[in-house]
Amino acid sequence: GAVVSQHPSRVICKSGTSVKIECRSLDFQATTMFWYRQFPKQSLMLMATSNEGSKATYEQGVEKDKFLINHASLTLSTLTVTSAHPEDSSFYICSARGPSGRITDTQYFGPGTRLTVL
Amino acid sequence: AQKVTQAQTEISVVEKEDVTLDCVYETRDTTYYLFWYKQPPSGELVFLIRRNSFDEQNEISGRYSWNFQKSTSSFNFTITASQVVDSAVYFCALSRGSTLGRLYFGRGTQLTVWP
Repeated sequence: GAVVSQHPSRVICKSGTSVKIECRSLDFQATTMFWYRQFPKQSLMLMATSNEGSKATYEQGVEKDKFLINHASLTLSTLTVTSAHPEDSSFYICSARGPSGRITDTQYFGPGTRLTVL
Repeated sequence: AQKVTQAQTEISVVEKEDVTLDCVYETRDTTYYLFWYKQPPSGELVFLIRRNSFDEQNEISGRYSWNFQKSTSSFNFTITASQVVDSAVYFCALSRGSTLGRLYFGRGTQLTVWP
């Protein structure tokens, strides 16, 4: 149980294009999803927190117009990197948290998406 | 402010050795959660343990054990009889309050177990 998937696992795109990354909780309903970014050999940095049906809360320094987050259902959140540039190349990881009081009330992470912008 | 420090950037051991990964945290909250995650080369974060601030009992799960000491604000992780498959980056993390919100991660410790 508590499986989170991400798609795609790897994407290469040209500078200026937009890329959408999907995060799904496969066997539980995720009240909250988190998006993290990880540069090589560094820690995970939280980009934003999204609750189903409401606007995402972005961390300081994260451009909300560049990193669009949609949490349309209890099992799906998407991150769209708009007008991607080489500096956006990174490993993006989502996590999903289930309802309070249940075994899934912790953060389970997806396998990550490696984005390379040429 | 919340802060998690993993002072060991890299550790190398030979198979079957025991190894302890250190984690020191800072928070003003009285209620919080501590976590350990494993990140193998594939990149996926694997949940290992969650511990709340009111439960200082040490935990053992197979070859893994955790030592939580509030007096020193530490939550150390020991692998007994290490194996090559234990090679990974290990992250310690903190979540504030009584609800599991955002995680504050340490910088991670790269563990390499040599055969």
